[in-house]
Amino acid sequence: AQSVTQLGSHVSVSEGALVLLRCNYSSSVPPYLFWYVQYPNQGLQLLLKYTTGATLVKGINGFEAEFKKSETSFHLTKPSAHMSDAAEYFCAVSLGGATNKLIFGTGTLLAVQP
Amino acid sequence: SQTIHQWPATLVQPVGSPLSLECTVEGTSNPNLYWYRQAAGRGLQLLFYSVGIGQISSEVPQNLSASRPQDRQFILSSKKLLLSDSGFYLCAWTMDSYYGYTFGSGTRLTVV
Repeated sequence: AQSVTQLGSHVSVSEGALVLLRCNYSSSVPPYLFWYVQYPNQGLQLLLKYTTGATLVKGINGFEAEFKKSETSFHLTKPSAHMSDAAEYFCAVSLGGATNKLIFGTGTLLAVQP
Repeated sequence: SQTIHQWPATLVQPVGSPLSLECTVEGTSNPNLYWYRQAAGRGLQLLFYSVGIGQISSEVPQNLSASRPQDRQFILSSKKLLLSDSGFYLCAWTMDSYYGYTFGSGTRLTVV
């Protein structure tokens, strides 16, 4: 079975500073990895995903993540935080197969200070 | 194009009342369907998933049930709501993890 751990339920950065949200996964087979963002009282929006190929994945709004198999990590970064980045971020993993179950981490609430 | 509809957007129900939340997908056939719940201060918990009509798998024993009466319709139900059923419910679909998942806009359920 797969699982996801997001370190830090709350992260606060200053506007213009680096954003780093951590995600580690547990999987018995090569996983598919996802980052979603949720703005208050809204659904989920896909930021980026890793399936196969290049391990550095670029997403929307300037975010990117790197799949590191040796570290079982898929950390999300953005070089310069913007006020509009304040939201909750979820890392998720799927093993594909017949069920394609998507399992989420507990989320990280990002605050951006002016 | 493929779309997912989820309703209602908000719902306030008394304890002990029944529940029915509906999710419908358009523009695709035989999708995998999922129900998630997001409780306050907690992550997204997978409740049920379905790989075909009439096929329901439960991830967490609870007061809820799910049904898939048609290929693109997924229903979440309860006979008697508990206070602990309050939360934000999301429906999702995929044809394959490789292509990603699409989520509905969610239903915020408050049990009073």
